[in-house]
Amino acid sequence: GAVVSQHPSRVICKSGTSVKIECRSLDFQATTMFWYRQFPKQSLMLMATSNEGSKATYEQGVEKDKFLINHASLTLSTLTVTSAHPEDSSFYICSASTGFWADTQYFGPGTRLTVL
Amino acid sequence: KNEVEQSPQNLTAQEGEFITINCSYSVGISALHWLQQHPGGGIVSLFMLSSGKKKHGRLIATINIQEKHSSLHITASHPRDSAVYICAVRSNQFYFGTGTSLTVIP
Repeated sequence: GAVVSQHPSRVICKSGTSVKIECRSLDFQATTMFWYRQFPKQSLMLMATSNEGSKATYEQGVEKDKFLINHASLTLSTLTVTSAHPEDSSFYICSASTGFWADTQYFGPGTRLTVL
Repeated sequence: KNEVEQSPQNLTAQEGEFITINCSYSVGISALHWLQQHPGGGIVSLFMLSSGKKKHGRLIATINIQEKHSSLHITASHPRDSAVYICAVRSNQFYFGTGTSLTVIP
């Protein structure tokens, strides 16, 4: 089956620093990638949808200047949490598909971000 | 008010039991997804439905568009089915249920 990787799997950073999370589709070309965050014991929240070569579409309430998303190739999307604060601590998950969300999603293993 | 409601929130079953997880939604949708999240956080997309019924191995998913309701069934449950099952719908945006935590005891 299709594999999606995320790097790093876990990151701890100081408040005010920026953190970049990578999402890669290893054996297929991902036209569309999605970024989610999940707070402890809560469900997923879609943050943004990114299509290769174009600007990401952010969900209502998600600050695009805070969460920078780049989808420069068909196999790589990055999420940068800028000037991170403790409230940004969360589990960030990406998924990828060959089409829109109606197609099968392949999820990455997630990145645990802790901001001190 | 949540646009997607799941029940039950927690479920414990004996190995071999038939399991049903329910999802009700209040918005018009183009598709409904069932996701499985394992304790380590990894997520697998189980089904995408827009009508009727789908089956994959021991898993069956049904949807009733008129009643705005979907069910996920697991036949002959096994401890490896222990996970959180999440219902998600696509409307004008995406809505996720809070998940059903399933524990299957040997």
